Amino acid sequence: DQQVKQNSPSLSVQEGRISILNCDYTNSMFDYFLWYKKYPAEGPTFLISISSIKDKNEDGRFTVFLNKSAKHLSLHIVPSQPGDSAVYFCAASGASGTYKYIFGTGTRLKVLA
Amino acid sequence: EPEVTQTPSHQVTQMGQEVILRCVPISNHLYFYWYRQILGQKVEFLVSFYNNEISEKSEIFDDQFSVERPDGSNFTLKIRSTKLEDSAMYFCASSEGSGVRTDTQYFGPGTRLTVL
Repeated sequence: DQQVKQNSPSLSVQEGRISILNCDYTNSMFDYFLWYKKYPAEGPTFLISISSIKDKNEDGRFTVFLNKSAKHLSLHIVPSQPGDSAVYFCAASGASGTYKYIFGTGTRLKVLA
Repeated sequence: EPEVTQTPSHQVTQMGQEVILRCVPISNHLYFYWYRQILGQKVEFLVSFYNNEISEKSEIFDDQFSVERPDGSNFTLKIRSTKLEDSAMYFCASSEGSGVRTDTQYFGPGTRLTVL
């Protein structure tokens, strides 16, 4: 099941710079997208979401962009902080009217001090 | 801040044994979910539960799995006869269930199940 893909397994960014994490999806029926952050030995923590009727949603340092024509979403973190170092998962839902989330494989972000 | 809790944090069992994983969803939430993550793989949906019945399940959720809300606070996942391939992190999640499909799901810390 490759409906949601995160092609970069890891990313390193200097503290204070922008982190950009990318996610692609194949199912055009998805209409709700989310980003979760996960630390080792913890559950996914909700960060930010976006509905398909929007192309941008912002919450503090986190902004999610949705490009429906390209079936692509991205998470921007500005400025990046060492505490942002974690694995980031994108998730999508809505295909066939279901509530289940389909997750990507995750991108490990390392913010260097 | 309300959170989803799960017990135990780590469960070790022998192949063929039954295990019950427990979750306490956020108190005013009405939709409950189980997901799992096998080491190095994606987080995968198992089952969703609403109004005391399963609303959706994946092909992973076969007859060996069952879910129950035994009282007003707990939500359990039972695996009847565990297999080696059931070894994974199991995450419980809950959402408000307001009828809007864009309700966000909030996840617990997970139970690591190790089947020997």
